[in-house]
Amino acid sequence: NAGVTQTPKFQVLKTGQSMTLQCAQDMNHEYMSWYRQDPGMGLRLIHYSVGAGITDQGEVPNGYNVSRSTTEDFPLRLLSAAPSQTSVYFCASSYEVGGTDTQYFGPGTRLTVL
Amino acid sequence: LAKTTQPISMDSYEGQEVNITCSHNNIATNDYITWYQQFPSQGPRFIIQGYKTKVTNEVASLFIPADRKSSTLSLPRVSLSDTAVYYCLVDPLSGGYNKLIFGAGTRLAVHP
Repeated sequence: NAGVTQTPKFQVLKTGQSMTLQCAQDMNHEYMSWYRQDPGMGLRLIHYSVGAGITDQGEVPNGYNVSRSTTEDFPLRLLSAAPSQTSVYFCASSYEVGGTDTQYFGPGTRLTVL
Repeated sequence: LAKTTQPISMDSYEGQEVNITCSHNNIATNDYITWYQQFPSQGPRFIIQGYKTKVTNEVASLFIPADRKSSTLSLPRVSLSDTAVYYCLVDPLSGGYNKLIFGAGTRLAVHP
């Protein structure tokens, strides 16, 4: 199992550009989520999905869009990049949410917006 | 919505036992306590989870008193490779991702 994979590892954008961060998991997990982590801070939830076709907003959803057409993939789209979106982005998946289940995190995408 | 409080940073030396305490005064009956570890430039990794009393695995022990308002992660005989950020989460049995809150964590530095 590859677990949770994310591409690209690094990305530099100019203000106003759009892009999609890719996330895939091969563990047949129903639950997937996107977090951002700013320097010296904890993780903040952007969007999450409880299954294919179902998504919802987290703590900091503005400026981001998601869709979940398959169980395996959960891409994150930046609609019009801003310097405030410079951060490290982590995708995670789990079989269930909460309880005794655990989240598996990808290696992250480091995004810089100029 | 339970919130956790942890020390911002801790220092230790190789071979010592490290105890990191997390406060969660508003923990609900159905909440579990989960600890994650994050190395630089990596995503967080699950360490241990518990509901009450004591849980032990090959990596750490978790002590939870009867009132469950705090918990202590214990790392026995730390090494340099245990230098990381440790997050304490209060993890509801059910109820959605919005209740999974990662605070700033505790930055542990292990020195030779």
